[in-house]
Amino acid sequence: KAGVTQTPRYLIKTRGQQVTLSCSPISGHRSVSWYQQTPGQGLQFLFEYFSETQRNKGNFPGRFSGRQFSNSRSEMNVSTLELGDSALYLCASSLGDGGPDTEAFFGQGTRLTVV
Amino acid sequence: AQTVTQSQPEMSVQEAETVTLSCTYDTSESDYYLFWYKQPPSRQMILVIRQEAYKQQNATENRFSVNFQKAAKSFSLKISDSQLGDAAMYFCAYRRNTGNQFYFGTGTSLTVIP
Repeated sequence: KAGVTQTPRYLIKTRGQQVTLSCSPISGHRSVSWYQQTPGQGLQFLFEYFSETQRNKGNFPGRFSGRQFSNSRSEMNVSTLELGDSALYLCASSLGDGGPDTEAFFGQGTRLTVV
Repeated sequence: AQTVTQSQPEMSVQEAETVTLSCTYDTSESDYYLFWYKQPPSRQMILVIRQEAYKQQNATENRFSVNFQKAAKSFSLKISDSQLGDAAMYFCAYRRNTGNQFYFGTGTSLTVIP
């Protein structure tokens, strides 16, 4: 069974540009969550999608947006990139909507560098 | 709001010895889940162990066990018979009863000394 796939693995962008990151969850999983990981701020929650609906959103500016498609694949977009957006972006895939039988599986992340 | 605190930025342990990583959390909810995740240099987060708050019995997974003190809001991880492959960053995480949003601690970097 394939794991969570994030593409691309590495990305270098220039300030002011925009970027789109992709996450393909485990087959059958309906929930996708996104996290930003930086040395200074640690792991911070960006947003969570379940069956194409955004369930929760973290405390990030509107430049950060996301969506989930009918096949559960998710994309996140960052517009007008800033140097501080340089981070590892992690995606987590879960079968259900929380509860006792839901475990989160993480992808290997996308390393975004803004120059 | 839920917060998770890991007060040990770095820990080290001799191979085959036992080490305990600390974690405290703050919540007003009664039903929730706690997790320890391991992040090796490959960056992939790997679930080590999970604990349901409604269960009094401490979770155990092979060499990994937890000490869950609900009243004290404490959730420590004990690694027995430490192995070189245990070297990684360990994150304590909280998840509410519904939804899949995790609240992570700042992590503890574990070094295993041969």
